[in-house]
Amino acid sequence: KQEVTQIPAALSVPEGENLVLNCSFTDSAIYNLQWFRQDPGKGLTSLLLIQSSQREQTSGRLNASLDKSSGRSTLYIAASQPGDSATYLCAVNAGNMLTFGGGTRLMVKP
Amino acid sequence: DAGVIQSPRHEVTEMGQEVTLRCKPISGHNSLFWYRQTMMRGLELLIYFNNNVPIDDSGMPEDRFSAKMPNASFSTLKIQPSEPRDSAVYFCASSLSEERQYFGPGTRLTVT
Repeated sequence: KQEVTQIPAALSVPEGENLVLNCSFTDSAIYNLQWFRQDPGKGLTSLLLIQSSQREQTSGRLNASLDKSSGRSTLYIAASQPGDSATYLCAVNAGNMLTFGGGTRLMVKP
Repeated sequence: DAGVIQSPRHEVTEMGQEVTLRCKPISGHNSLFWYRQTMMRGLELLIYFNNNVPIDDSGMPEDRFSAKMPNASFSTLKIQPSEPRDSAVYFCASSLSEERQYFGPGTRLTVT
């Protein structure tokens, strides 16, 4: 059974810092991996999707990498802003079924 | 496109009552998913449909839960009878085959 772990569970940083969120998974037989953002009381917004054949994807200040063989993905956020404060979730897709990590709650302080 | 639409956004009901949650996927998507999110267990997949057919319902917690997808533009998740431990946020998501999943805003269910 696929298990997805995110470290750290919570992170507080001052505005402007670059930061890395980590995601690990136990079964490397995946189709793709998605990073989501969830604001309090809201739904999930898809940020990036990395196919299993890809190493990384970039969107603006966000960069996600994937090392399938080691079962790891990272989400890099450059020049963090208070508006980046949210919970970030990674989800592994194996056979059209997403398994989510527990999320990292990010607080960016002005 | 309006995205994935869910209704109601909030539902408060008493234990023992029937609850029906509704979802309209993004037009053209052929896969639909129901998830549940709680503080204790995080986000869990309950069931997913492909081309209106249930493919995997192993996440449905009990027989009190049932889901249907009568056509490509509508799905329901029903809980009967509801219990306080069913209180959670229920999300519907849709995708085209195995690509990016798009989530609805969720239904916050409270069972008293």
